[in-house]
Amino acid sequence: KAGVTQTPRYLIKTRGQQVTLSCSPISGHRSVSWYQQTPGQGLQFLFEYFSETQRNKGNFPGRFSGRQFSNSRSEMNVSTLELGDSALYLCASSFQSQPGELFFGEGSRLTVL
Amino acid sequence: EDQVTQSPEALRLQEGESSSLNCSYTVSGLRGLFWYRQDPGKGPEFLFTLYSAGEEKEKERLKATLTKKESFLHITAPKPEDSATYLCAAFSGNTPLVFGKGTRLSVIA
Repeated sequence: KAGVTQTPRYLIKTRGQQVTLSCSPISGHRSVSWYQQTPGQGLQFLFEYFSETQRNKGNFPGRFSGRQFSNSRSEMNVSTLELGDSALYLCASSFQSQPGELFFGEGSRLTVL
Repeated sequence: EDQVTQSPEALRLQEGESSSLNCSYTVSGLRGLFWYRQDPGKGPEFLFTLYSAGEEKEKERLKATLTKKESFLHITAPKPEDSATYLCAAFSGNTPLVFGKGTRLSVIA
């Protein structure tokens, strides 16, 4: 069965711009979690959505937001980009809300110049 | 605050040289300890879940064990294709899955 699909895979933005990342979970999975991965901090939890409701939110500023649609697809948005937002953004889906086995996409690598 | 610490940060092994990776956790009321493998340019891939102290899980050359304070990922007679970053994560039920920073394993032929 198809895995988790994230788009775009790579993108370059400048400071102050905003970005929207998309995630299509595995068919049948209702939970989508987002993580930021950087060499210094590792995987940091951003938020989790389950059946269109935000279940948990990590310790990130309000510039980071997300949503989930009725078909379980999810988007995350980062506004007013800063240099420190450069990272690999990973989406993971699961059948149930965390914990449980997470299936990760290949990520969207964001570079902020 | 839940914390997960992995050691060493990087490990270089000769093919066939067995070793262990460590994951220590400070989590109140552990409900699950997870191991993932991440290849360069890819997302993490699930390996194991451990739920209680004393539990062990095996998959090919990998064996994961769990105590009340830490988990070990034992790699027996590794091959170059085992080279990857290995991540552990803990779940307490109070917060989402908390990941360690990983151990970068290189296996040299």
